[in-house]
Amino acid sequence: GAGVSQSPSNKVTEKGKDVELRCDPISGHTALYWYRQSLGQGLEFLIYFQGNSAPDKSGLPSDRFSAERTGGSVSTLTIQRTQQEDSAVYLCASSVGPGGYTFGSGTRLTVV
Amino acid sequence: QKEVEQNSGPLSVPEGAIASLNCTYSDRGSQSFFWYRQYSGKSPELIMSIYSNGDKEDGRFTAQLNKASQYVSLLIRDSQPSDSATYLCAVNLRSGGSYIPTFGRGTSLIVHP
Repeated sequence: GAGVSQSPSNKVTEKGKDVELRCDPISGHTALYWYRQSLGQGLEFLIYFQGNSAPDKSGLPSDRFSAERTGGSVSTLTIQRTQQEDSAVYLCASSVGPGGYTFGSGTRLTVV
Repeated sequence: QKEVEQNSGPLSVPEGAIASLNCTYSDRGSQSFFWYRQYSGKSPELIMSIYSNGDKEDGRFTAQLNKASQYVSLLIRDSQPSDSATYLCAVNLRSGGSYIPTFGRGTSLIVHP
């Protein structure tokens, strides 16, 4: 596609439920990143995929968070047993290499 | 110590003035530096990337990098009200065997008519 596509754009879920967030990167972009941004805060790194290499999961805040990337393209971020502190905007970015990254429009997650 | 630091602002400048945004980083091995602009409620948008010491100009924007001082800045000439946004500095920092773009908290810029 022309840009990084994320879905859903908004998600409201009840505390304790699982959620899946999807990212479709720009075609040909081998690097894919997930970040989250809480209200008024900076971007917090979550996980990084590069090609077929093992992902860098060093930013995942707890074992309730996981992500996968199928076929080197689409990625899914899963949050299990959601908590209120998980409420944030989840942003996906992709790049060809270690250059400038293009962000998607994000998924706003609200846990009630 | 934060790995990428920015003054949160707000930085207020009059229309037509030069806005100067600053960023310091902790990893001397960093090689890639980026400035993003983020409007309220929107996702970050890449403005400039810089990899070598010195200045890089693109239209009204100039990025300046000083690796010895671990300092990168963004100058916006002839500032316009439409430049009002949060400016995020990003630095590729080492994380294990890879480099991860790490963001500062951003500087809020207000350009008033």
